[in-house]
Amino acid sequence: QKEVEQNSGPLSVPEGAIASLNCTYSDRGSQSFFWYRQYSGKSPELIMSIYSNGDKEDGRFTAQLNKASQYVSLLIRDSQPSDSATYLCAVSGDSGGYQKVTFGTGTKLQVIP
Amino acid sequence: EADIYQTPRYLVIGTGKKITLECSQTMGHDKMYWYQQDPGMELHLIHYSYGVNSTEKGDLSSESTVSRIRTEHFPLTLESARPSHTSQYLCASSQWTVDGNTIYFGEGSWLTVV
Repeated sequence: QKEVEQNSGPLSVPEGAIASLNCTYSDRGSQSFFWYRQYSGKSPELIMSIYSNGDKEDGRFTAQLNKASQYVSLLIRDSQPSDSATYLCAVSGDSGGYQKVTFGTGTKLQVIP
Repeated sequence: EADIYQTPRYLVIGTGKKITLECSQTMGHDKMYWYQQDPGMELHLIHYSYGVNSTEKGDLSSESTVSRIRTEHFPLTLESARPSHTSQYLCASSQWTVDGNTIYFGEGSWLTVV
């Protein structure tokens, strides 16, 4: 079992719809969770971070964290074609005294005009 | 947000040549990383550093080496490039904040070995 798991997709949603991206992780001691967006041929850029159970909203993006279920998700409201990218989930936790960050393999999102 | 600079952005080089990919950050972050990523594939951590004179190998074995003589500088060197080294190399840095160990990436260096 991978430490951080994401459905590779592609996830296709029509323009204006809500895109829901999911991520599960195996280490119950994980403390912080991140979502990155990566356009083809570009480097990952940070969208959001979350470390408390519940929802965190930033514009059209909402991150949801459920530590009991070891599940973190990203909702994108009013999806736009410019949101088409690969979304990486990252999980941070203590590993032998240092903070290890583990990335998932990413979910490819396609927003259809 | 971190400012991380990588040079060269694109490099085509012959087999057997020695190359150094430069990475600098201006935010004073303690932690720096090198990731390797093939197009459409997942990120692989190949090296990391938690401070000056500290370097460790990552999850993916790599023939490259790194050094960390100054906080802001974390170059990656390949002594003898091979076609199998063709990939994108991403430098990153991070600092512990209230949100955790947040990683920021540079724009990447695309290496092609012919």
